[in-house]
Amino acid sequence: AAGVIQSPRHLIKEKRETATLKCYPIPRHDTVYWYQQGPGQDPQFLISFYEKMQSDKGSIPDRFSAQQFSDYHSELNMSSLELGDSALYFCASKMQWGGTGRGYTFGSGTRLTVV
Amino acid sequence: GEDVEQSLFLSVREGDSSVINCTYTDSSSTYLYWYKQEPGAGLQLLTYIFSNMDMKQDQRLTVLLNKKDKHLSLRIADTQTGDSAIYFCAESPHQAGTALIFGKGTTLSVSS
Repeated sequence: AAGVIQSPRHLIKEKRETATLKCYPIPRHDTVYWYQQGPGQDPQFLISFYEKMQSDKGSIPDRFSAQQFSDYHSELNMSSLELGDSALYFCASKMQWGGTGRGYTFGSGTRLTVV
Repeated sequence: GEDVEQSLFLSVREGDSSVINCTYTDSSSTYLYWYKQEPGAGLQLLTYIFSNMDMKQDQRLTVLLNKKDKHLSLRIADTQTGDSAIYFCAESPHQAGTALIFGKGTTLSVSS
């Protein structure tokens, strides 16, 4: 079965650079969630999109932005990277209506290292 | 605001049962989840329970839900060394589309 695809799997950037993370949801899933998990931390919700519109906002820094495109894939754009941005970034997708309790499916994550 | 709490560490011997506990605050949560994360890996959905259920069993896993006390537990029978991981409890608040809220995670260490 198709899963949530995230790219790249690993990314190394220098301070003050920019990074773009991509997420391809499961087909027919219309909602995408982004999470940040720092070392030894629990996943923290950043932002979500439903039908290409921002649906909820968590602890996303102003330096970050995201969008969902017409094919439902989403991109997280991160600028002016800081050392503290080093983390595992997860994307999850869900069918907003008519789904089951299993609805949230997570990708394998992108490990971002800022040096 | 919503908050999910878990004990941070649990150490058991191989073959014993493990019980990981979680408390949550949003009484309107419709689903509660347990995720497993191995070192450097992603989040693997282990099991979930609908809020109108008290118990759910799935092979070695048993989930108990006490809605009155907002308490959720995960019991792993016959714990194996391969069960060593971090276990996250997560709640899905009632509003449709709201993101999952995770606990801090419980590190389970299984010794042989």
